[in-house]
Amino acid sequence: GENVEQHPSTLSVQEGDSAVIKCTYSDSASNYFPWYKQELGKRPQLIIDIRSNVGEKKDQRIAVTLNKTAKHFSLHITETQPEDSAVYFCAASRGGANSKLTFGKGITLSVRP
Amino acid sequence: EAGVAQSPRYKIIEKRQSVAFWCNPISGHATLYWYQQILGQGPKLLIQFQNNGVVDDSQLPKDRFSAERLKGVDSTLKIQPAKLEDSAVYLCASSLGVGGEQFFGPGTRLTVL
Repeated sequence: GENVEQHPSTLSVQEGDSAVIKCTYSDSASNYFPWYKQELGKRPQLIIDIRSNVGEKKDQRIAVTLNKTAKHFSLHITETQPEDSAVYFCAASRGGANSKLTFGKGITLSVRP
Repeated sequence: EAGVAQSPRYKIIEKRQSVAFWCNPISGHATLYWYQQILGQGPKLLIQFQNNGVVDDSQLPKDRFSAERLKGVDSTLKIQPAKLEDSAVYLCASSLGVGGEQFFGPGTRLTVL
């Protein structure tokens, strides 16, 4: 089955700096890669996703890049703010009839004011 | 639109007892998911329904866990008997269809003593 790994497990950045979180996946048939943000004690919320037919997607301060050959994808957050502090999960799925998401273990991002 | 509803929000039981969780998905969402999130890890899919049929239950411990979605709307997840290692947050999610964005409920935090 699919295996999704996230590196590093924790990341601390200064407010205003950029943060990059990387994920690797094992199943070459995966074609959908969402990123979820989970604040302490709250539900995971989708912040951005990418499908395998594109290499990059942007939404204001966040972007996701996908390298299908290397089987990794990354979340980029620019101009970080304290409210960006949370746990970020990447996930992968094959899509289609079986949309089962396999999640990574999460990375805790801390933005220092 | 109203989000995914779950109840109860918290539950404390002793090992070998039984427990049931309830989920009401977003209106019109055909696909419903139950995830188990152990502290410090990403959500793990337990079971996925498409309307009232099971799409994937490969990671559901069927000797103690059961789930149903009889009318294709609400769903219940039951654990009988509970073990200490079942302590986790149980998240319900729904999507419009297979492969669509998954919206998560607030979760039920289960503590097994």
